[in-house]
Amino acid sequence: DGGITQSPKYLFRKEGQNVTLSCEQNLNHDAMYWYRQDPGQGLRLIYYSQIVNDFQKGDIAEGYSVSREKKESFPLTVTSAQKNPTAFYLCASSIEAGENQPQHFGDGTRLSIL
Amino acid sequence: GQQVMQIPQYQHVQEGEDFTTYCNSSTTLSNIQWYKQRPGGHPVFLIQLVKSGEVKKQKRLTFQFGEAKKNSSLHITATQTTDVGTYFCAPANQAGTALIFGKGTTLSVSS
Repeated sequence: DGGITQSPKYLFRKEGQNVTLSCEQNLNHDAMYWYRQDPGQGLRLIYYSQIVNDFQKGDIAEGYSVSREKKESFPLTVTSAQKNPTAFYLCASSIEAGENQPQHFGDGTRLSIL
Repeated sequence: GQQVMQIPQYQHVQEGEDFTTYCNSSTTLSNIQWYKQRPGGHPVFLIQLVKSGEVKKQKRLTFQFGEAKKNSSLHITATQTTDVGTYFCAPANQAGTALIFGKGTTLSVSS
């Protein structure tokens, strides 16, 4: 089955620690996205990548970093600079970046502070 | 930055009642997508609207794009418990490279 796999499902971070969330897709999609969702809030865009080796900041990129070394993979690192990292993180992909492309989402990772 | 307003934020209905959520923008939109997120789940694409005044139907769901392309609505006829979840509108950003999600309308249905 084609799809997007996010891991882990739950993640706990200690103060001052960097953590990396995994996102892998086998849909052969060019574009990938990371969103943050807080209770009662919509999805806020952290970073997106239109193609391998390229990525752009979204609305709330501070305290986060990404890489896109492979088409299938778009890991997100939550750095210690992100002071309020507790949230539900969603990864998505689309065939290509663009306003007419539906996005397919993974099941998400819930990150909490210890 | 570019934003969209979704109203209401929450709606509770009795099973069989109708439901409508509205999405409003201060700027003209090139297109708009709608997603549904079940409790504990992830957003799932429902539909995309592109043309001014466009109306699309999916069974009991009717989606509409305003004539001025600044607003959109989703109407559910005769709600069922399976309709429970949060409905998001998501127009494209000005560059056309990503989506801007509204805060969503959370629908609860009692039987």
